[in-house]
Amino acid sequence: AQSVTQPDIHITVSEGASLELRCNYSYGATPYLFWYVQSPGQGLQLLLKYFSGDTLVQGIKGFEAEFKRSQSSFNLRKPSVHWSDAAEYFCAVGQGGSEKLVFGKGTKLTVNP
Amino acid sequence: GAVVSQHPSRVICKSGTSVKIECRSLDFQATTMFWYRQFPKKSLMLMATSNEGSKATYEQGVEKDKFLINHASLTLSTLTVTSAHPEDSSFYICSAIGQRGSGYTFGSGTRLTVV
Repeated sequence: AQSVTQPDIHITVSEGASLELRCNYSYGATPYLFWYVQSPGQGLQLLLKYFSGDTLVQGIKGFEAEFKRSQSSFNLRKPSVHWSDAAEYFCAVGQGGSEKLVFGKGTKLTVNP
Repeated sequence: GAVVSQHPSRVICKSGTSVKIECRSLDFQATTMFWYRQFPKKSLMLMATSNEGSKATYEQGVEKDKFLINHASLTLSTLTVTSAHPEDSSFYICSAIGQRGSGYTFGSGTRLTVV
């Protein structure tokens, strides 16, 4: 069965610092991978997705993620964090782009001024 | 880009009443929609998969008679929480898929409070 692990429940960084949120997945075939962001009381906004091709994926708001098959990872990165990036971040894996998603438990990001 | 509208954003209802939540794909046809439930400070739990014109597929442990799902058109799926109880209070989110490979688009969620 598919599973997604986000090892860090809560991360605090200073504004302007770099950020990396970890995501590991378990899936037999090539997965479809997603990162979503959720602000309090809001729905989920897609940051980026990986289906195939270039393993370094660029997303919105300056985020990027790298698919590493050997490590079963899809870590999210941003070189310089802004206060508005404070939110909950979810990694998810899907099969074939038209199947249900399995979500990680999320990582809450706090940004200190 | 693809937009999914979810309504209402907040609803408070009395125990024993039913509440309907709508999920609409505004600019694309969604053959498949998903309904999730999110508990406070928890991840999203898939409740059911809704396919246009057919019965929804419920995840294990989700009561299909309590959480009625109807996907009558390619742009609308509804979730009805029947005979709501305080333990049904939660944040419910829908998502929709358009063409294969286009990804999933989420609604903005509905905060249900049962008093």
